Amino acid sequence: GAVVSQHPSRVICKSGTSVKIECRSLDFQATTMFWYRQFPKQSLMLMATSNEGSKATYEQGVEKDKFLINHASLTLSTLTVTSAHPEDSSFYICSACPGGDNQPQHFGDGTRLSIL
Amino acid sequence: TQLLEQSPQFLSIQEGENLTVYCNSSSVFSSLQWYRQEPGEGPVLLVTVVTGGEVKKLKRLTFQFGDARKDSSLHITAAQPGDTGLYLCAGALGGSEKLVFGKGTKLTVNP
Repeated sequence: GAVVSQHPSRVICKSGTSVKIECRSLDFQATTMFWYRQFPKQSLMLMATSNEGSKATYEQGVEKDKFLINHASLTLSTLTVTSAHPEDSSFYICSACPGGDNQPQHFGDGTRLSIL
Repeated sequence: TQLLEQSPQFLSIQEGENLTVYCNSSSVFSSLQWYRQEPGEGPVLLVTVVTGGEVKKLKRLTFQFGDARKDSSLHITAAQPGDTGLYLCAGALGGSEKLVFGKGTKLTVNP
């Protein structure tokens, strides 16, 4: 159980393009999902907390107008990288947490974004 | 300042050797998770520890949560090449679902 699906797994596009990444919890409902960015050989950096039915909470230094997050249902959150540039190239990972005390986060397989 | 200090950052050992990875903090966590990540994939949950002093075993992997819930360790016995990967510890602070991640330990087990 607790499967999180992330799509697409890899995106290659031109500079200036907006890219949407989907994160779905397949067998549980998640009022909260998280979006991370991971640089090569480094740990995960939390970008924002996605809250179902309300605005996302962004970590310090993350541009909310650049990284648009929508959490329209209890099983789907989307991250849109707007007007992407080469410096936005990275590995983006989402996670979701089933409700309840001390429940762990379960991660998607990540999206490799490459901006040319 | 790194809230969760993980060490060592890199570890290269021979097949059959034992190893221990440590995560330390001055903060108290309500729970702590260990994940393993392969290149190009998302982290996969190995274990969650919740109670101070708790010890959990997963085949050759032994996880321990410190009595004060501020630190944790992962011990691997008789490491195999298939254990190669990035190991991440992540702690949940009380009242929040947000995780604080360690910097990770890149383990390479050579045949």
